[in-house]
Amino acid sequence: GQSLEQPSEVTAVEGAIVQINCTYQTSGFYGLSWYQQHDGGAPTFLSYNALDGLEETGRFSSFLSRSDSYGYLLLQELQMKDSASYFCAVRDRNYGQNFVFGPGTRLSVLP
Amino acid sequence: DVKVTQSSRYLVKRTGEKVFLECVQDMDHENMFWYRQDPGLGLRLIYFSYDVKMKEKGDIPEGYSVSREKKERFSLILESASTNQTSMYLCATLTSLSYEQYFGPGTRLTVT
Repeated sequence: GQSLEQPSEVTAVEGAIVQINCTYQTSGFYGLSWYQQHDGGAPTFLSYNALDGLEETGRFSSFLSRSDSYGYLLLQELQMKDSASYFCAVRDRNYGQNFVFGPGTRLSVLP
Repeated sequence: DVKVTQSSRYLVKRTGEKVFLECVQDMDHENMFWYRQDPGLGLRLIYFSYDVKMKEKGDIPEGYSVSREKKERFSLILESASTNQTSMYLCATLTSLSYEQYFGPGTRLTVT
């Protein structure tokens, strides 16, 4: 089976940098995704890492270490609109086209 | 833009009722998914389909069934709704050539 762990809550101030960690256990790791979900909204895709290293997309970056079964989402220059829940999701080759989602991290950005 | 629509944003049903949740996508994606989302548990996969008339159980299929008669439409059926099925239900699609799932707006179902 698969399991993922994320912190349940993170709080930071506007303009700061925050890192949301995700550790996973899976037998056939294929890739790690990150999704953002605002209250009342649908999850939206942020990034996907299949190989080790850092992927940067604007203010957001995602990192993966396959040997450590660990990844993180890095949010820079935080804005109030970044307040949302963030989910990591593992793609497992033993699980077909499916993703297994973590429990989510609620990010609160304070003025 | 990929568009995934769900038949209702909010739904209130009584225990024992049969409930239909419908999902429609306009991007010809092969794969479609139904998740339920509960606080602290993330998104849990109920059923998925990788082609018309094909379906596979996810992690929590008990009490649910699905139907995919057309490529663009994937229905989730609660045969006899129970209070523990009160939840947010999310539909998603995925093309086999990609890794980005597209989600519908969700249906918040309350079973009383």
